[in-house]
Amino acid sequence: GNSVTQMEGPVTLSEEAFLTINCTYTATGYPSLFWYVQYPGEGLQLLLKATKADDKGSNKGFEATYRKETTSFHLEKGSVQVSDSAVYFCALSGPGNTPLVFGKGTRLSVIA
Amino acid sequence: SQTIHQWPATLVQPVGSPLSLECTVEGTSNPNLYWYRQAAGRGLQLLFYSVGIGQISSEVPQNLSASRPQDRQFILSSKKLLLSDSGFYLCAWSTGTDFSYEQYFGPGTRLTVT
Repeated sequence: GNSVTQMEGPVTLSEEAFLTINCTYTATGYPSLFWYVQYPGEGLQLLLKATKADDKGSNKGFEATYRKETTSFHLEKGSVQVSDSAVYFCALSGPGNTPLVFGKGTRLSVIA
Repeated sequence: SQTIHQWPATLVQPVGSPLSLECTVEGTSNPNLYWYRQAAGRGLQLLFYSVGIGQISSEVPQNLSASRPQDRQFILSSKKLLLSDSGFYLCAWSTGTDFSYEQYFGPGTRLTVT
């Protein structure tokens, strides 16, 4: 079945540092890919998505490119802020007609 | 616009007591609905999903059950809570008959079983 592998956290960065959170996937067919963010004590929010190869999703300074050749969807941001501290989840659509498959999440802490 | 509500926001229940968590969605019709559990410091575990009234798919056999009595209402229940049922419960919805669309999450219910 479809699966997602995210880099282990936690990730700790200084403010204004460059962020990369790796996400690779295994899937049949051409899944849609998503990044979600979860702030402390809240539900998940959709951050960005890409539905086909070479698509770039972007939002709030974050971006990720759907790389079919490397089966990856890495999340990047050029300059992180303390307010970006959260848990980030990579997800992809399931095989056939089944619900989204989520990665285990990567906790990001940004210090001033 | 669409909104999703969950209640209660927090709940403390003794072992062996019943549970009922409610989720409602506004602003859309015939959504797909989902219940997830998130244990402390862990990822998401899909518990149940539903494509329509009375249609429930269970992902993990356990002490919980789900029901969908109305199009935009999804209820998570238990007859007797266990300590291991503690966690953060999230409801989500997605549009259409295709599961490849993004899901939108509610604010969650934090359940502590004592």
